[in-house]
Amino acid sequence: EVQLVQSGAEVKKSGESLKISCKGSGYSFSTYWIGWVRQMSGKGLEWMGIIYPGDADTRYSPSFEGQVTISADKSISTAYLQWVSLKASDTAMYYCVRGNFGGDSFDYWGQGTLVTVSS
Amino acid sequence: EIVLTQSPGTLSLSPGERATLSCRASQSVRSNYLAWYQQRPGQAPTLLIYGASRRATGIPERFSGSGSGTDFTLTISRLEPEDFAVYYCQQYGNSRWTFGQGTKVEI
Repeated sequence: EVQLVQSGAEVKKSGESLKISCKGSGYSFSTYWIGWVRQMSGKGLEWMGIIYPGDADTRYSPSFEGQVTISADKSISTAYLQWVSLKASDTAMYYCVRGNFGGDSFDYWGQGTLVTVSS
Repeated sequence: EIVLTQSPGTLSLSPGERATLSCRASQSVRSNYLAWYQQRPGQAPTLLIYGASRRATGIPERFSGSGSGTDFTLTISRLEPEDFAVYYCQQYGNSRWTFGQGTKVEI
């Protein structure tokens, strides 16, 4: 069974750094794209970026490039989303997603990680 | 960047009725790389339709997708109580994935 299990909720202050994780299981982690999607409270879905763990090829949405870093460690089937300096506006639910075989849609979603940043 | 516009914003229907949701793209969607997701309150989204018309694994036949180019439709033939949720369309092209703003289907 394919599963994406994300790290737990985080409460941080503005200016702090953070790295959240997403562990894949039940499939060949290296051969499927893994992405991140943001959902602010009561709002829609925003694609942030995506990585191919096999060769670390990474793509970012223009809205998030330079704001976050996506990485992956294929040896432990885990992808990461990282901030160097959080802002209150980063408060949101973050989902990791698996790209389907063609990479055009997201067939599995993690349970979400709620990040709360206080100013 | 392709912008997806969903309509209506909210659809008020009763169980058993037919729901028709629209997703319009600002440019033609390559190879019909258009997907639909359902998000129930407090839950992560789930994939319903990919490739504009292909049902994802385990998705009931009452969900169907159609369209091409810039105009796409998700149809729910007969609404079940669990179908009242928010629906998002999503496209892929030029190494970018974008979502529409969502349509809420409410009782």
